[in-house]
Amino acid sequence: SAVISQKPSRDICQRGTSLTIQCQVDSQVTMMFWYRQQPGQSLTLIATANQGSEATYESGFVIDKFPISRPNLTFSTLTVSNMSPEDSSIYLCSVDTEGVYGYTFGSGTRLTVV
Amino acid sequence: RKEVEQDPGPFNVPEGATVAFNCTYSNSASQSFFWYRQDCRKEPKLLMSVYSSGNEDGRFTAQLNRASQYISLLIRDSKLSDSATYLCVVNIGSGNQFYFGTGTSLTVIP
Repeated sequence: SAVISQKPSRDICQRGTSLTIQCQVDSQVTMMFWYRQQPGQSLTLIATANQGSEATYESGFVIDKFPISRPNLTFSTLTVSNMSPEDSSIYLCSVDTEGVYGYTFGSGTRLTVV
Repeated sequence: RKEVEQDPGPFNVPEGATVAFNCTYSNSASQSFFWYRQDCRKEPKLLMSVYSSGNEDGRFTAQLNRASQYISLLIRDSKLSDSATYLCVVNIGSGNQFYFGTGTSLTVIP
């Protein structure tokens, strides 16, 4: 399976600022996914990052709040903009390199907004 | 109704016990099913895929019941190291996006 490097692993940010999370994959992948896992809850898909086109956002998530870049087939960024304490969460990137055989996740970014 | 629903538990079982988790899904067009394991403060990791005919991997058995729209995970001879949260993951429709259950917490007690 793919190896994903996700940075930063954690950060504490002031409200109103923005944080950009990076995911680097060791192989080319068609689709990358960004998830959020709020405390005590399961994962919620934020968006699908497609190379060469705009990201596809799930209901409840918008590009202005979570802009995504996908400049090539091995890299993506997610920005959490104008942060508030409600954005405190774990953010995970994920790739599907095995078709129907499941996804691999990055190690996550633990974000705390104060 | 949620796309994927699981009993959150917690399940507290003694070592050596057999424990089973169920997960129901709402979309009959779902194509792919998985069980993931998530340890505390770690990312989810694939435990096993769930095939239509059912599949077994050592002490773990996964089954799919399309008629009733649920999947199950059976863990035999529980080990302390099995303590984790088990996430049911379902592909909704024929797309590539997968949806996660809220997870079932398992603690295996010495």
